[in-house]
Amino acid sequence: KAGVTQTPRYLIKTRGQQVTLSCSPISGHRSVSWYQQTPGQGLQFLFEYFSETQRNKGNFPGRFSGRQFSNSRSEMNVSTLELGDSALYLCASSSAGGTEAFFGQGTRLTVV
Amino acid sequence: LAKTTQPISMDSYEGQEVNITCSHNNIATNDYITWYQQFPSQGPRFIIQGYKTKVTNEVASLFIPADRKSSTLSLPRVSLSDTAVYYCLVGDGPRSGGYQKVTFGTGTKLQVIP
Repeated sequence: KAGVTQTPRYLIKTRGQQVTLSCSPISGHRSVSWYQQTPGQGLQFLFEYFSETQRNKGNFPGRFSGRQFSNSRSEMNVSTLELGDSALYLCASSSAGGTEAFFGQGTRLTVV
Repeated sequence: LAKTTQPISMDSYEGQEVNITCSHNNIATNDYITWYQQFPSQGPRFIIQGYKTKVTNEVASLFIPADRKSSTLSLPRVSLSDTAVYYCLVGDGPRSGGYQKVTFGTGTKLQVIP
């Protein structure tokens, strides 16, 4: 069974640009969560989608948005990038009612 | 919020058993205790999960006392490849829609020494 796949693995963007990250969950999983990980703040919850609906959102500015498609694949978008957005972005998928979250390898975003 | 406290770092020699304890005094009735392992620049990897008493799988054991205010992850006979950061999480996590109600904290950085 394939794991959670995130693309791209690495990305370099310039301040002010926007970026879209992709996450393909484990087959059959309908919940996808996104996290930002930085050395200073650790792992922080961004938002979670279930069946194309955002169920929960963390304390991040509106520049961070996401969506989920009917096949459960999810995208995360960050507009007007700032240097502080440089981080490892992780997504995790889980089955409906499940208590385990399976994480992808992450996308390393560097904003210059 | 379910807050956890664990040691920032630990050192161990290869072949030894390692026990990492996590405190979670405000654990709620519906909360599970989950441990993840993370290597640099990779996503956290699920190790083990439990609700009470003892849980064992092929890589670790999880000990949870009756009051559930703490838990101990036990790694038998560690090797160099077990050098990683270990996170203890408390919450019903994905069941309630992601780990938005918990913080991963700083985790415990385990260094295995040859």
